Amino acid sequence: AQTVTQSQPEMSVQEAETVTLSCTYDTSESDYYLFWYKQPPSRQMILVIRQEAYKQQNATENRFSVNFQKAAKSFSLKISDSQLGDAAMYFCAYRGTGANSKLTFGKGITLSVRP
Amino acid sequence: EAEVAQSPRYKITEKSQAVAFWCDPISGHATLYWYRQILGQGPELLVQFQDESVVDDSQLPKDRFSAERLKGVDSTLKIQPAELGDSAMYLCASSLTAGRPYNEQFFGPGTRLTVL
Repeated sequence: AQTVTQSQPEMSVQEAETVTLSCTYDTSESDYYLFWYKQPPSRQMILVIRQEAYKQQNATENRFSVNFQKAAKSFSLKISDSQLGDAAMYFCAYRGTGANSKLTFGKGITLSVRP
Repeated sequence: EAEVAQSPRYKITEKSQAVAFWCDPISGHATLYWYRQILGQGPELLVQFQDESVVDDSQLPKDRFSAERLKGVDSTLKIQPAELGDSAMYLCASSLTAGRPYNEQFFGPGTRLTVL
């Protein structure tokens, strides 16, 4: 079974600074998807960024980028130029490529942004 | 912008009572998911529908939980009887379909259940 581990329960960053959120996973599959989701307080979860395992290039979405290390099974999220609106819980998630593969989430990390 | 709708947003009930949650996915989305998110944890899949058919309910406690999506559109998740340990956020999500190419799952705002 696949597992996703987020070992840091909380992190804090100064506005306009850069922060990196860590995630490791375990799988025996060679092809899969990895995700970072954001869950703001009392609001729905939204997808921040997606990485496909067969792609060596790290995904980027504006201020968000990932460092995908397939051999190390590591998938970290870097948030540049942090904004107050980035404060939220962030979840790392894994999904296989099968038609009925399910999303497996980590426990999440609470990110606070200091003005 | 289309969104997944859920109701109610909050529900307080006493143990042994029955509760039901409703979800309306984004129009045209064939796949619908129900997740349970315990406070301080990530969501865990309870049941996945493809149209009106259940494709995965391996983590659904079937002695007390039931889910249906009769017409392949909206869905209801029921708990009867509710137990203290059922207190959690219940999230609904939908996607165009499952499998490849990957279709993003869009989440609703959730129903926060408190069992007293």
